Amino acid sequence: EPEVTQTPSHQVTQMGQEVILRCVPISNHLYFYWYRQILGQKVEFLVSFYNNEISEKSEIFDDQFSVERPDGSNFTLKIRSTKLEDSAMYFCASSGQDNEKLFFGSGTQLSVL
Amino acid sequence: AQKITQTQPGMFVQEKEAVTLDCTYDTSDQSYGLFWYKQPSSGEMIFLIYQGSYDEQNATEGRYSLNFQKARKSANLVISASQLGDSAMYFCAMREGWSSARQLTFGSGTQLTVLP
Repeated sequence: EPEVTQTPSHQVTQMGQEVILRCVPISNHLYFYWYRQILGQKVEFLVSFYNNEISEKSEIFDDQFSVERPDGSNFTLKIRSTKLEDSAMYFCASSGQDNEKLFFGSGTQLSVL
Repeated sequence: AQKITQTQPGMFVQEKEAVTLDCTYDTSDQSYGLFWYKQPSSGEMIFLIYQGSYDEQNATEGRYSLNFQKARKSANLVISASQLGDSAMYFCAMREGWSSARQLTFGSGTQLTVLP
């Protein structure tokens, strides 16, 4: 069964460093998302992406965050200068044009030291 | 007001028994979708079941069924014949509006423990 793939599964970085989290959505999907989950808290929406542009973003998604679909398969989340509070599990998700279901990847656990 | 409310922080069920996880939602949209996801201790988010607001039949996926009561704004998940591997955190989520690009709003989750 097709799945959303995320790499790396764990990322440790120093505060102030840039990180790029990578995702390969399901191949025929058109809508792409990033969510995050701080330990013990709710899953929070960050950004949605469609037709090569951001559709929606939350207040969490400030100027430190950016997304990109550099080719036909990858979808990346970049955090320019990480803060301690960026430590969380980051989930990529995708959905198709006629398929209302949203499928998540297995997540990248980001730890900012 | 909370858009998704899961009132059971923790639930226990005996193996092979059925269990219902509660979820109520709040929206003024006529078109919306309701989701349940399972998050094992390993952290991934696994899609379980989806119910559209216009679907007249309750959704079913194997041992999972969604008890959709539109007037009460509830979308409870029923797991039949519980297995030890069902022990996990379960999240209810909602997507409002028609566009597939709209975000999901998640509840706070219910930690289910299946007892042998």
